[in-house]
Amino acid sequence: DGGITQSPKYLFRKEGQNVTLSCEQNLNHDAMYWYRQDPGQGLRLIYYSQIVNDFQKGDIAEGYSVSREKKESFPLTVTSAQKNPTAFYLCASSAAGTQYFGPGTRLTVL
Amino acid sequence: AQSVTQLGSHVSVSEGALVLLRCNYSSSVPPYLFWYVQYPNQGLQLLLKYTSAATLVKGINGFEAEFKKSETSFHLTKPSAHMSDAAEYFCAVSDVGAGGTSYGKLTFGQGTILTVHP
Repeated sequence: DGGITQSPKYLFRKEGQNVTLSCEQNLNHDAMYWYRQDPGQGLRLIYYSQIVNDFQKGDIAEGYSVSREKKESFPLTVTSAQKNPTAFYLCASSAAGTQYFGPGTRLTVL
Repeated sequence: AQSVTQLGSHVSVSEGALVLLRCNYSSSVPPYLFWYVQYPNQGLQLLLKYTSAATLVKGINGFEAEFKKSETSFHLTKPSAHMSDAAEYFCAVSDVGAGGTSYGKLTFGQGTILTVHP
């Protein structure tokens, strides 16, 4: 089955620790995106990548980092510099202007 | 800059009643427009999209939306609500280049939570 997978579904970390969220797609899409979702705030773009080995900051990139070494993979690292990391994180990929989403990872920082 | 406004953060309807979720956008060029649905603790699922073809777009689960350029609106409707329609709905707009193709980045509205009463 083609699709987008995110792992883990739930993630707990202590304050001050870096954590990496996985996003993999087998849809052969060039572009991939990371969003953060907080209640009542819709989706906010963190980073996006339109091609391998290239990525751009979105609206709220501070405290986050990404890499795009393979077309299929776009991992997101939430660093200790992110002041309020507890949120639901969504990964997406796109083709022909339409974005398709993974199931999300809920990160809770204790 | 593009923006999307969803009127009403919460909408409540009775089962079998009309569903109307409102979305207005601002864009300097004719955009691509999307409606997504999200069930609790899940990702977003594409309901339908408008990409400058027919102004009335039909989607999955009986939903449809009409693009009205004069009103800069893209409201989502369903004639008869079902309990399974209870979810959060997001309207989104995509920037479009000179050739009419989308750059792929989306701007989302704040979301509307739909509640369906028996």
